[in-house]
Amino acid sequence: DAGVTQSPTHLIKTRGQQVTLRCSPISGHKSVSWYQQVLGQGPQFIFQYYEKEERGRGNFPDRFSARQFPNYSSELNVNALLLGDSALYLCASSLFRGVDEQFFGPGTRLTVL
Amino acid sequence: RKEVEQDPGPFNVPEGATVAFNCTYSNSASQSFFWYRQDCRKEPKLLMSVYSSGNEDGRFTAQLNRASQYISLLIRDSKLSDSATYLCVVTISSGSARQLTFGSGTQLTVLP
Repeated sequence: DAGVTQSPTHLIKTRGQQVTLRCSPISGHKSVSWYQQVLGQGPQFIFQYYEKEERGRGNFPDRFSARQFPNYSSELNVNALLLGDSALYLCASSLFRGVDEQFFGPGTRLTVL
Repeated sequence: RKEVEQDPGPFNVPEGATVAFNCTYSNSASQSFFWYRQDCRKEPKLLMSVYSSGNEDGRFTAQLNRASQYISLLIRDSKLSDSATYLCVVTISSGSARQLTFGSGTQLTVLP
């Protein structure tokens, strides 16, 4: 079975631009979470979606938004990019909302110049 | 204060050595506990869950002390392939979500 997939793998943007990152969960998994990992730190929670609804949000500004589609795939959008948004963006899927075991995709490495 | 704190290392140990990592968490409402492993420029991968009774998976032993809010990971007979960053993780309820909260990771290098 395929694991969590994310696209694109790498992205270079300039300050002020907008970016959309995509994630497909493991088949049968209904919950998707997004994390940001800056160099030298552990991943930080951004959002969790379950059954197409936002179920939790971390401490990130409103420039960050996400959605989940009927097929459980998800998109993360970041507007008005800042240099500090440069990071590895990780998507994780889990079977249900209350299941803690999460499986990560390979991530999208975003560089903001 | 960070919610999950780990010694960043790096730990440089010879093959065959035993190495222990420690982690403390601040939120007593934390519900589940894990160790993840992350190779350089790769995604985190679940190494093992951690239970109060302690659990073992081959050369790896994890322990949880809820009273002290302390988690440990012991690696015996280290292999070169164990070189990675080890992330201590707890789950905390955020709204109706269960979010993973990560420590900053402890870097391990096993030397030949």
